Amino acid sequence: EVQLVESGGGLIQPGGSLRISCAASGFTFSTYEMNWVRQAPGKGLEWVSYISDSGRSIYYADSVKGRFTISRDNAKNSLFLQMNSLRAEDTALYYCARARGGYSDNWGQGTLVTVSS
Amino acid sequence: SYDLTQPLSVSVALGQTARVSCGGNNIGSKSVHWYQQRPGQAPVLVIYGDNNRPSGIPERFSGSNSGNTATLTISRAQVGDEADYYCQMWDSSTVLFGGGTKLIVL
Repeated sequence: EVQLVESGGGLIQPGGSLRISCAASGFTFSTYEMNWVRQAPGKGLEWVSYISDSGRSIYYADSVKGRFTISRDNAKNSLFLQMNSLRAEDTALYYCARARGGYSDNWGQGTLVTVSS
Repeated sequence: SYDLTQPLSVSVALGQTARVSCGGNNIGSKSVHWYQQRPGQAPVLVIYGDNNRPSGIPERFSGSNSGNTATLTISRAQVGDEADYYCQMWDSSTVLFGGGTKLIVL
């Protein structure tokens, strides 16, 4: 069974940094692309970042470019998102999602990031 | 930038057919995917590649895509189908989501 478990969310002050993680199991992690997708309270889905299976191709939404960094450790079946210079508008539930062919076929339950003073 | 436009809500009578649209310029030339998100839950893929169902998704869910509109069709609507539905596509190294449509089953 495919499992994606996010962790590392919490309350952080504006301007601060946070690193969230996603632990994958039940599939061969190193052969799948991955996405981070977020959802602000009461709002729709917003794509954040993509990383290819090898980690060589990486893309970001304009809203986070230059502030967030996606990475992965295929040996540890883990996906990461380093978030710097956090803003109130980054407050959201952050999902990691397994990707293939341009879509996400499995999603975690999310980790909540709250940016507030 | 490319935009995907969805109606805020769609209502359907129990047992009838619901259609959720996703508009975009020449979207018919793109590959469109659909997700269902029930309240308090993570999104679930219900249609990929315009009209393909992942395993475990009922045959009542189908998709089409032509011209400037992609459509998710839910036949014999059930109370359990009440959820938010999002269309999604990949364009120029970017993942795009529609704004989401709330399906109300009456």
